[in-house]
Amino acid sequence: DTAVSQTPKYLVTQMGNDKSIKCEQNLGHDTMYWYKQDSKKFLKIMFSYNNKELIINETVPNRFSPKSPDKAHLNLHINSLELGDSAVYFCASSQGDRGEGYTFGSGTRLTVV
Amino acid sequence: DAKTTQPPSMDCAEGRAANLPCNHSTISGNEYVYWYRQIHSQGPQYIIHGLKNNETNEMASLIITEDRKSSTLILPHATLRDTAVYYCIVRPSQGGSEKLVFGKGTKLTVNP
Repeated sequence: DTAVSQTPKYLVTQMGNDKSIKCEQNLGHDTMYWYKQDSKKFLKIMFSYNNKELIINETVPNRFSPKSPDKAHLNLHINSLELGDSAVYFCASSQGDRGEGYTFGSGTRLTVV
Repeated sequence: DAKTTQPPSMDCAEGRAANLPCNHSTISGNEYVYWYRQIHSQGPQYIIHGLKNNETNEMASLIITEDRKSSTLILPHATLRDTAVYYCIVRPSQGGSEKLVFGKGTKLTVNP
């Protein structure tokens, strides 16, 4: 019974395509996040939503658009994919006001060819 | 913009204690010390966090110096499955809009 689940686990696509990654958490957390881990293994936050409201939006190209239909889901849509978008994308959730740790999903490895 | 400094790598013998140091000399009074780890090809995993008192849970112990400028994560009996990158992070506990910023971490290798 996975707490934070992402789909797909692997995604290979051509440059210029549009793709989406889905994330769902069953922990009842209020806050969800998207992180990107590049080839050098640096983990960087991209977005954060709290109760469907965007609260963190780092310097990310407009081609990336998060969508949160409800507080259990945070999807990431990427338009016009570029080679540099190849990375592992991690979804996470937390109950922010309790100071507990984040729970991460297992990641989506995106390869743009 | 990570506020912590960690050694890039460490080795530990299986069954021995692994002591991972972290410097956070600019930590503020309301900031907690969090530890996460990332096992190869998996998502980061929360380990433990603390403010000023030492903390222990089923995974590890966290020792924070009295001046709070450094801390040590202790894995009491390291196993091969503890081989991972360990991240020390400081942030306010009541997260809200405060993001979790990962540095480069320490790559711990547990050897048989």
